[in-house]
Amino acid sequence: DGGITQSPKYLFRKEGQNVTLSCEQNLNHDAMYWYRQDPGQGLRLIYYSQIVNDFQKGDIAEGYSVSREKKESFPLTVTSAQKNPTAFYLCATRRGNTIYFGEGSWLTVV
Amino acid sequence: GQQVMQIPQYQHVQEGEDFTTYCNSSTTLSNIQWYKQRPGGHPVFLIQLVKSGEVKKQKRLTFQFGEAKKNSSLHITATQTTDVGTYFCAAPYSGAGSYQLTFGKGTKLSVIP
Repeated sequence: DGGITQSPKYLFRKEGQNVTLSCEQNLNHDAMYWYRQDPGQGLRLIYYSQIVNDFQKGDIAEGYSVSREKKESFPLTVTSAQKNPTAFYLCATRRGNTIYFGEGSWLTVV
Repeated sequence: GQQVMQIPQYQHVQEGEDFTTYCNSSTTLSNIQWYKQRPGGHPVFLIQLVKSGEVKKQKRLTFQFGEAKKNSSLHITATQTTDVGTYFCAAPYSGAGSYQLTFGKGTKLSVIP
C-alpha cells in the first residue's frame, strides 16, 4: 500500500549473518507489524508494536529482533539464530481494524 | 492467538465457473476480514464483516458471516482471470491492550482461460 515502504525488495544473506529489513510509513499509524509468509503457511506474526518504544513478540519471534524508536520506522533484524530465514517478509500498519501491508521483502539465505 | 481454518488450500476453476472459500473458527469472532494477494504482490484488504449473518457484495464477490459468528465464506461468481490470487480470511485477537490479526492459510485460486 502507498505510504509503507519496505527495503530492500530482494536480499541474499550468507548463513551466520544478521540482516536488517527496513520498514518506513508515512500514514501516521500507531500500530505496526511484521509478518512472515511461507508457501502454504499463510501469514505468521513475528513482532508487533502498538506505540513508539514498545513492542511485543508474536507467534514466531525466535531468531528475530525489532526496535521502534520512531513512529515512522519499525525495522526487523533477522539474526543468525533464525534457523530457516528464507521467506517473504511483510511489514504492515493498522488503522482501526484494518491492516495495510507494504510490498514485502524477499530474503534468501545462500 | 486464536486460529482460523481456511479451506480449500488450492482451487483450479475454468473461467466462468464459480469459486468459494471457507473460513472457520472454534471461537466466536468479533469480526472477520478478507484479503486478496495477487501473485508476486502483497495482501490487500477487501472487506470486513461484523454482524451475525451479514452478507456483503462487491460486484461478483459475495461475503458472508455466519449466524454464530464462527465461520465466513467468500464466493466469486463467474470467475475471471483477474480473480487469480490467494484469498485470506483474518480474525482479530485482542488482549492486554494489544490487537493482532490471525490469518488463515489462504486459498490459492487459479483460473484456466
